[in-house]
Amino acid sequence: QKEVEQNSGPLSVPEGAIASLNCTYSDRGSQSFFWYRQYSGKSPELIMSIYSNGDKEDGRFTAQLNKASQYVSLLIRDSQPSDSATYLCAVFRGAQKLVFGQGTRLTINP
Amino acid sequence: EAQVTQNPRYLITVTGKKLTVTCSQNMNHEYMSWYRQDPGLGLRQIYYSMNVEVTDKGDVPEGYKVSRKEKRNFPLILESPSPNQTSLYFCASGVGSNGADTQYFGPGTRLTVL
Repeated sequence: QKEVEQNSGPLSVPEGAIASLNCTYSDRGSQSFFWYRQYSGKSPELIMSIYSNGDKEDGRFTAQLNKASQYVSLLIRDSQPSDSATYLCAVFRGAQKLVFGQGTRLTINP
Repeated sequence: EAQVTQNPRYLITVTGKKLTVTCSQNMNHEYMSWYRQDPGLGLRQIYYSMNVEVTDKGDVPEGYKVSRKEKRNFPLILESPSPNQTSLYFCASGVGSNGADTQYFGPGTRLTVL
């Protein structure tokens, strides 16, 4: 079992709809969780971090964390074509190590 | 401008020829890290450093060396590159209590080992 798992996609969502990206992790002791966005040919860019159970909202983005079920999700409301990218889930494991999922490729269709 | 720089951006080399990829940050971050990104495997951490002279292995350290003699620089050294080290490499620096709370990535170095 991979430490951090994501559906690789591609996930196709119409413009203006809600895109939902999911991630599960195996280390129950993980405390910090991140979502990165990576455009093709570019470096990853941090878009959300979450540390406590529940929801965290930032503009059109909402991160959700459920430690009991060991999953973290990212919702993108009012999806725009510029949101088309690969989204990487990352989990901070003890000893300062950051473990990434494989990423989900998201395409927003105009 | 706050940034992480890497050099070179592209490199084609041959098996066994030692090479160094430089990484520098101008944000006074204590935490720095190297990753490689491969299709189907995602980003994997090679080495990280919590501060000057403090480095530790990530998940895929074999075949790599690092050093952290200054806070701003964190070079990645391949003493004897092999074709399985062909990959896209990213350097990152970070802040926060964990060091990784907010990581800023460099532009990447695409390495091909023939």
